[in-house]
Amino acid sequence: KNEVEQSPQNLTAQEGEFITINCSYSVGISALHWLQQHPGGGIVSLFMLSSGKKKHGRLIATINIQEKHSSLHITASHPRDSAVYICAVGMVGSGYALNFGKGTSLLVTP
Amino acid sequence: DVKVTQSSRYLVKRTGEKVFLECVQDMDHENMFWYRQDPGLGLRLIYFSYDVKMKEKGDIPEGYSVSREKKERFSLILESASTNQTSMYLCASSLWGTNPYEQYFGPGTRLTVT
Repeated sequence: KNEVEQSPQNLTAQEGEFITINCSYSVGISALHWLQQHPGGGIVSLFMLSSGKKKHGRLIATINIQEKHSSLHITASHPRDSAVYICAVGMVGSGYALNFGKGTSLLVTP
Repeated sequence: DVKVTQSSRYLVKRTGEKVFLECVQDMDHENMFWYRQDPGLGLRLIYFSYDVKMKEKGDIPEGYSVSREKKERFSLILESASTNQTSMYLCASSLWGTNPYEQYFGPGTRLTVT
């Protein structure tokens, strides 16, 4: 089983700040997901990556396969970014199930 | 757009009741998953299925069973609900071929067992 660690657990930022959430995992993976969960429960996929870097709007995700580490960055944060951000990894042979980190709860204040 | 729906958003059941949670996806996905989410523990895999009538245990299958009679529908069954099964239950699906790890999630069912 892949141990997935996220940091920080909780994060409060002021609107406009640059935010970084980190994820590390213990075993080689086939893919890494960054997910967003707003209050109320629905989970949406932000990024899936297996190497390099992806950007979508103000969100950037990077992964370093050798160091088994990924980061999610939010530039120019906004109160609507307030949510729980979850890192999840998939491994070959796992039946395509994901192992999840415990999540990072982000609050962006005006 | 992929749509994954779950039968209820909120459910309250009594201890000992048999509980059915239904999940339906409309994109012909082969893989379907049931997770539960608890504060401080994150999402944990209960069961998954990669084909009709096929099922595999996840990390925490005790107290649960599943049924997949049709490709689009994956049911989670609590044979005799207990208070420690109070949780948020999330269903997900993914396509076998191109990107099997890209899971699409339902809105969740918040189950309370009293």
